[in-house]
Amino acid sequence: AAGVIQSPRHLIKEKRETATLKCYPIPRHDTVYWYQQGPGQDPQFLISFYEKMQSDKGSIPDRFSAQQFSDYHSELNMSSLELGDSALYFCASSLVMTYEQYFGPGTRLTVT
Amino acid sequence: AQTVTQSQPEMSVQEAETVTLSCTYDTSESDYYLFWYKQPPSRQMILVIRQEAYKQQNATENRFSVNFQKAAKSFSLKISDSQLGDAAMYFCAYRGSSVTSGTYKYIFGTGTRLKVLA
Repeated sequence: AAGVIQSPRHLIKEKRETATLKCYPIPRHDTVYWYQQGPGQDPQFLISFYEKMQSDKGSIPDRFSAQQFSDYHSELNMSSLELGDSALYFCASSLVMTYEQYFGPGTRLTVT
Repeated sequence: AQTVTQSQPEMSVQEAETVTLSCTYDTSESDYYLFWYKQPPSRQMILVIRQEAYKQQNATENRFSVNFQKAAKSFSLKISDSQLGDAAMYFCAYRGSSVTSGTYKYIFGTGTRLKVLA
């Protein structure tokens, strides 16, 4: 079965640079979520989209923005990167009526 | 606001034995969903089991089962016949009903690291 695809899998950036993470949800899933997970921490919810509209906003810094496109893929844009942004970024997708959320493999972002 | 609490940072179990991981939550909603996710060293998040709050019957998936106590707001995970491959971080998660709360957000606990001893 198709899973959530994230790209790139690994990304190394320098401080103050910009990064764009991409997420391709499971086909026919209508909801996309972004999470940030630091070492030894639980996933922290950043933002979600339902049918291409922002549905919930969590602890997403103002330096970050995200959107969902007409083909349902989503992008997380991160600007003015800081060392503390180094983390594993997960994308997850679900069908809102089934409630089961499936995660992608994550993008490991390292800011140097 | 909803919260999810996992009070056991780490648990150990002997291979082939049974272990129970605890999770409590707080909510004022009557309609919601609870999940257990497994995160092995690869850090892939894997859905283990789900429970709908309106269902009285406890969910079961092979060696994994839950003890859902709605009144006590408790949702524990029981792993039977533990295997080495069960070693991972386990996260409990809550999701309210988008119909009643208008939110789609999942709330995670802080996780329990399970070690399986050979």
